[in-house]
Amino acid sequence: AQSVTQLGSHVSVSEGALVLLRCNYSSSVPPYLFWYVQYPNQGLQLLLKYTTGATLVKGINGFEAEFKKSETSFHLTKPSAHMSDAAEYFCAVSDNTNAGKSTFGDGTTLTVKP
Amino acid sequence: GAVVSQHPSRVICKSGTSVKIECRSLDFQATTMFWYRQFPKKSLMLMATSNEGSKATYEQGVEKDKFLINHASLTLSTLTVTSAHPEDSSFYICSARSDRVFHEQYFGPGTRLTVT
Repeated sequence: AQSVTQLGSHVSVSEGALVLLRCNYSSSVPPYLFWYVQYPNQGLQLLLKYTTGATLVKGINGFEAEFKKSETSFHLTKPSAHMSDAAEYFCAVSDNTNAGKSTFGDGTTLTVKP
Repeated sequence: GAVVSQHPSRVICKSGTSVKIECRSLDFQATTMFWYRQFPKKSLMLMATSNEGSKATYEQGVEKDKFLINHASLTLSTLTVTSAHPEDSSFYICSARSDRVFHEQYFGPGTRLTVT
């Protein structure tokens, strides 16, 4: 069984400040990990993913995340927040044994203050 | 590449009627598509896995007779909400898994269903 916990349903940062969105996962097999962004009334857009290899992965819009197996974490960061980063962010986990299905976290709403 | 479309983007229907939502992979083949339901301020709830040429696999608690899924081709899956009721009002999102990249899903823009 797999699960995802996103700590903090709401995160508020000032424009230009560091963004840190937390994600912890549980998986009995090596996980594939994803971060998605969702803008109001839209579908999900992939920000970045970890499958194998380098544990620090870079994504679009300046976001990156680091896979830490010992901490079962995959936190999302961005050095400097932009107003356009305000959105809903979802962490998800899947693996190669469950027909590609993903389990999603409950989401984190990011607010960026001017 | 890897674009998924959904149609319609918004639909309003009367209670008791049925509504069909289409999900298309525009530039890749997808043997497998997924249908999700998203409530306001909530995460995505997987409803079913749609497999081309075979019956869909429904998640526990999802009524297969109410949410009919057909995956007739490698680029099209449809979700039909039968005898819709106001509690079926929701945001429905599909995703398509590329046959070449097993672990990655590409999401459609979603369909807002309102049942009056």
